[in-house]
Parts: sequence; C-alpha cells; structure tokens
Amino acid sequence: GAVVSQHPSRVICKSGTSVKIECRSLDFQATTMFWYRQFPKQSLMLMATSNEGSKATYEQGVEKDKFLINHASLTLSTLTVTSAHPEDSSFYICSAGPTGVYNEQFFGPGTRLTVL
Amino acid sequence: GENVEQHPSTLSVQEGDSAVIKCTYSDSASNYFPWYKQELGKRPQLIIDIRSNVGEKKDQRIAVTLNKTAKHFSLHITETQPEDSAVYFCAAMKGGTSYGKLTFGQGTILTVHP
Repeated sequence: GAVVSQHPSRVICKSGTSVKIECRSLDFQATTMFWYRQFPKQSLMLMATSNEGSKATYEQGVEKDKFLINHASLTLSTLTVTSAHPEDSSFYICSAGPTGVYNEQFFGPGTRLTVL
Repeated sequence: GENVEQHPSTLSVQEGDSAVIKCTYSDSASNYFPWYKQELGKRPQLIIDIRSNVGEKKDQRIAVTLNKTAKHFSLHITETQPEDSAVYFCAAMKGGTSYGKLTFGQGTILTVHP
C-alpha cells in the first residue's frame, strides 16, 4: 500500500509556543490530505482538508487561525498549531490517498503533542 | 453532515468466540465504509472495507455486511484471538466534494480473553 509519514512523532512544548507537524506522501502524489485529531480514549475527528495550491477547508468549530495548514506541494502538507495551550494536547494524524485509487485513505503514524 | 454511531463501546469475548460490532450512518450519500483497528499510540490500520454496491465482503476471519436501506453495516470477527484485542472504528465516506473525508464512529474496545 501507499506510505504516509509524519514528523515529528512526538513533541512537547511550552504553552504559548507554535508547533509545526509535517505530513508527507512518500510514494504517491496527493492533491488532498486530511488532518484529524484524537483525544485520549476518543475517536478521530476531522479537523480540516488540506488542498494543494489553495486554502484549506476547516470543519465546523475548528479555528483556522489557530491551526494553520499549508499544502505547498503534492507530497507535503503541514499543520501548525499556533500559540498552543494544554487543551491542544492530542494525537494528530494525517491521511491521504493516491489519485485514482478509489476511496482508500492511508494514515500517517501520528504526532503526539503535549503542551505544558 | 454525516453522523456515524457505533455499538457496543466495549466488547469482551473468550478466545475462539465471534465478535460483532455494529454501525449506523445518517447520510444516504455515503458510499464507502472502512473498518480500522487501532492499537494504543498507533495509526488506524484498515482491516476491511466495503463499497455501497456490495452487500457483504469477507477476508479470512473478518467479514463486513452492509444494509443500505437501513443504513447500517457490521463487522464480524470469527475465531477471535488475543491479538485481535484493540480498538475498532467504523467510518463512512461520501464521494464528490467530500471524497476522502472520513466520519468515524465512536470506537469499540475489543478484549479477547485467552
């Protein structure tokens, strides 16, 4: 199957700082990538759709100015959590699917963010 | 938007027994229904999926059934093994402008006792 990577796998930061998470499709191009957030013992919730060369689309209730998304190439999307606070601590996972492969999405390994 | 309900939230079985997890969805436009297994701290792993033009799909010990009329789909695991213990999520996806976006159920913690 297709491979999606994320970096970093784990990050600890102080409250008020910004954190950037990268999502890469390693062996395919992705015009669209998706960012999910998963709190402990909860399900995955879609945060936003990252569109190559255009603005991201955010789900209801997700602050676009807090979660900045950039999809500058067909293999890389970045999520920046700005002015992070302890309530932003979560597991962030991206997904993408190769063009032409009907439906299946491939997930990155996730990034564990802890804000102190 | 789409809403996916999953039951039960926890399921405990003895090794060798069968396990069934059920999901319902709200949007009749959804046409792709994957099931994922997630271990603690790991990414979701696709274990089986079904598209809306199919009623049932089987892969060794795992099967999924879909009832489009009732808008529900189920995961069946037979001959369960301790290594099947994990959190299982169902999901639904629509086509068109929502292509690729997954709506997840709440998850089921499956525990298989040796």
